[in-house]
Amino acid sequence: KQEVTQIPAALSVPEGENLVLNCSFTDSAIYNLQWFRQDPGKGLTSLLLIQSSQREQTSGRLNASLDKSSGRSTLYIAASQPGDSATYLCAVVYGGATNKLIFGTGTLLAVQP
Amino acid sequence: EAGVAQSPRYKIIEKRQSVAFWCNPISGHATLYWYQQILGQGPKLLIQFQNNGVVDDSQLPKDRFSAERLKGVDSTLKIQPAKLEDSAVYLCASRLAEETQYFGPGTRLLVL
Repeated sequence: KQEVTQIPAALSVPEGENLVLNCSFTDSAIYNLQWFRQDPGKGLTSLLLIQSSQREQTSGRLNASLDKSSGRSTLYIAASQPGDSATYLCAVVYGGATNKLIFGTGTLLAVQP
Repeated sequence: EAGVAQSPRYKIIEKRQSVAFWCNPISGHATLYWYQQILGQGPKLLIQFQNNGVVDDSQLPKDRFSAERLKGVDSTLKIQPAKLEDSAVYLCASRLAEETQYFGPGTRLLVL
């Protein structure tokens, strides 16, 4: 069964701290992996997409890495800000034809000012 | 560019009642998805359309859920009759070719 797990479920950090969110998946034959952000009452916003052939992707203060062999991905957030407070979801795609996303349960991040 | 639109944003019904949700994808996006997100969980795919054809509905509870996408544009998701466990956020997403999926704000359903 293809499952995606995220640790921790919740995280609270002071402003300015660097932090790492973890994602693991049971089947390493992924097509790609995405990190999303979800704000209360809003839909999901795609942050980073890593193709199976890539090791990492960067966007501003965000860096996502992918290790297919170990079934893991991390999202690194540098110099966290209160505006980063949200739920972060990891999702994997198996087989590119349908682009079906299998989501983890998410990490609720609170950045304290 | 306008995003994915969904309505209503909130709905409260009693169990055994019927409810329908509407989604208008981004213009030109051939692929449309409906997800169910129960509180504390990640979204789960219910059904995927390619134009007006169903690609994947393996996780759609077909005894009570139905969805259609007439003319390959707007889509509706219906629940009849609703159960308490259907309380969730229903997300619609659309995609163009190999790009990422774009999500709407969701419809929050509470079944009492």
